[in-house]
Parts: sequence; structure tokens; C-alpha cells
Amino acid sequence: ETGVTQTPRHLVMGMTNKKSLKCEQHLGHNAMYWYKQSAKKPLELMFVYSLEERVENNSVPSRFSPECPNSSHLFLHLHTLQPEDSALYLCASSRSGAYTQYFGPGTRLTVL
Amino acid sequence: GESVGLHLPTLSVQEGDNSIINCAYSNSASDYFIWYKQESGKGPQFIIDIRSNMDKRQGQRVTVLLNKTVKHLSLQIAATQPGDSAVYFCAENRGNSDNTGKLIFGQGTTLQVKP
Repeated sequence: ETGVTQTPRHLVMGMTNKKSLKCEQHLGHNAMYWYKQSAKKPLELMFVYSLEERVENNSVPSRFSPECPNSSHLFLHLHTLQPEDSALYLCASSRSGAYTQYFGPGTRLTVL
Repeated sequence: GESVGLHLPTLSVQEGDNSIINCAYSNSASDYFIWYKQESGKGPQFIIDIRSNMDKRQGQRVTVLLNKTVKHLSLQIAATQPGDSAVYFCAENRGNSDNTGKLIFGQGTTLQVKP
């Protein structure tokens, strides 16, 4: 399954580091999403981009900063994270007007 | 309120048997539902979806049933195979005004297939 790719697949960072997660979709979609998946919790929607404009920010702390330079790429910039931010970060995409979202494999983030 | 729940965190079935995974939702205005399968180390994979104007939809070895009266959704897997072992999530779509999706996920049910 290579429709939605994410890099890196694993990331370990300290609380003072700055890092970025990258997502790329090859499905011709024009909406992209960031989700957080923590153990024993449902997937949490973080951000939604439609046609490269942010249309939803689900009360996410400012230490997470998304960027969508074009409809195929989505970034999540990370800055001064906390250990409780350790989770699997999933990217998804969909066609505008369609509800089905297709997910990437995720980035497993560990904050020390 | 918004919540999507699954009845059982873990379901163990014998290979070859049928599996039924249940999900309850609370928002009667939801008009679209979707099931995902997530294997270890992978992202959620689309299995099947259903709109609220339907009560049943079939795919390859899978069937989704929707009971709007009791706000209940189920996923049936026929002749369960070891490769079906995974975590299964149901989700309801609330949608945004710009036609992007807003999926509300349940906690997930882990399906274990015994050989």
C-alpha cells in the first residue's frame, strides 16, 4: 500500500528538539489530515487541510505546527514537545466531497 | 454528545468461524459509517462503509449492518482467517461544511484468530 507515505517511520526526540514529520499522498486527493493515536484511546483528529487551506484545528497545542505546501504534501512541525506527546501520528487523505479517508503507516514518535 | 463505542475490546474466534464486531454510536445525525482494520505497525486500512440510507452492505467476506433505531453498527467477517487478526475500528463521519471528512473513531476491538 503506497498511496499515502509517511517519513520517518520512527522518531525519538528530546523535549528541546525541533523535528518535522512528512506525509505524501499519491492518490490525487485534495484533503489531508493529521491524527494522533495513543494507547487505549481513540484516534484523535488534529488538523484538516482542504485545497491547501487549514479548515480545522482541533484545539491542538501550538507546539504542533502543520504545513500543507500543496495538495500532495503535508508536514507536522514539532517543537518543545512533552513526553505525553509520544504516540503514533497518522496522516490521511481524501477526495473533497468524499468521506473515505486513506491512511499512511504512521510515524511512531517517542519524546524523552 | 459525540462518541463511538465498541462493545468488546477483544474478540477471540476460531479459524473458519464467522466473526461479529459491534459498535454503538450516539449521534443520530451521522449519515455515514466506516470500518477500518489496523494491523500491527500499519495505519488503518479501509474495509467497508455504509450510508445511513442503507441497512446492509456486503463486500468480499465482510458485511456491515446498520440499525439506526438503536444506533448500532456491526461488522461481520465470514470464514475468519489468521490474516484477519488486527484491531478493528468503526467511525462515524460528521463532515465539515467544506466537504472534508470528520471521522469520530471508536476505541477499537482486537480480533484474535485461533488456528
